[in-house]
Amino acid sequence: DQQVKQNSPSLSVQEGRISILNCDYTNSMFDYFLWYKKYPAEGPTFLISISSIKDKNEDGRFTVFLNKSAKHLSLHIVPSQPGDSAVYFCAASGRAGANNLFFGTGTRLTVIP
Amino acid sequence: DTGVSQDPRHKITKRGQNVTFRCDPISEHNRLYWYRQTLGQGPEFLTYFQNEAQLEKSRLLSDRFSAERPKGSFSTLEIQRTEQGDSAMYLCASSPRGGLSPLHFGNGTRLTVT
Repeated sequence: DQQVKQNSPSLSVQEGRISILNCDYTNSMFDYFLWYKKYPAEGPTFLISISSIKDKNEDGRFTVFLNKSAKHLSLHIVPSQPGDSAVYFCAASGRAGANNLFFGTGTRLTVIP
Repeated sequence: DTGVSQDPRHKITKRGQNVTFRCDPISEHNRLYWYRQTLGQGPEFLTYFQNEAQLEKSRLLSDRFSAERPKGSFSTLEIQRTEQGDSAMYLCASSPRGGLSPLHFGNGTRLTVT
């Protein structure tokens, strides 16, 4: 049973525009959420996180929004750059710093120059 | 910070053979994790060590799988009597002690069982 879902397998955006990647979860016990980026032949790289006590966290061009009532989070990248082209994974855990992260299936982002 | 190192990067083996993978975490990280990723899926948790103690194991970790971290530094993951369904990317990650510390992943070992 997939507890973290990324329903869009792929997304294409023009360079300079906003990229919005979405993620839904089913387990109301999740309280810590992360986004990872993965390039081919490399392991996932941590991008940004948010705990359930917040609804927004920003780091440079990356912002994560959390809507606990909808069990939904999103990652906004603005402006998008060609180097952002990668697979993005949403992940969640049941307590801050928990050992067992649940990952979504990923969204492949392509930024078109 | 040299990052998490995994060896080998690729392993091709015949069904029924045993394989062993190694992971060297970031030196100051006392937590070490193994995940498995199959095609089209996200990483799935297998097991977790804090120092040398294996504290958590997933149901995915059948009795053919064994992981060790004997001195609390590097770790090994062994798969005995490999099956074609074991073909996957095996990812190792580490994190520092406590808190909201994200996992730092290695580049993985890709296992192909023929």
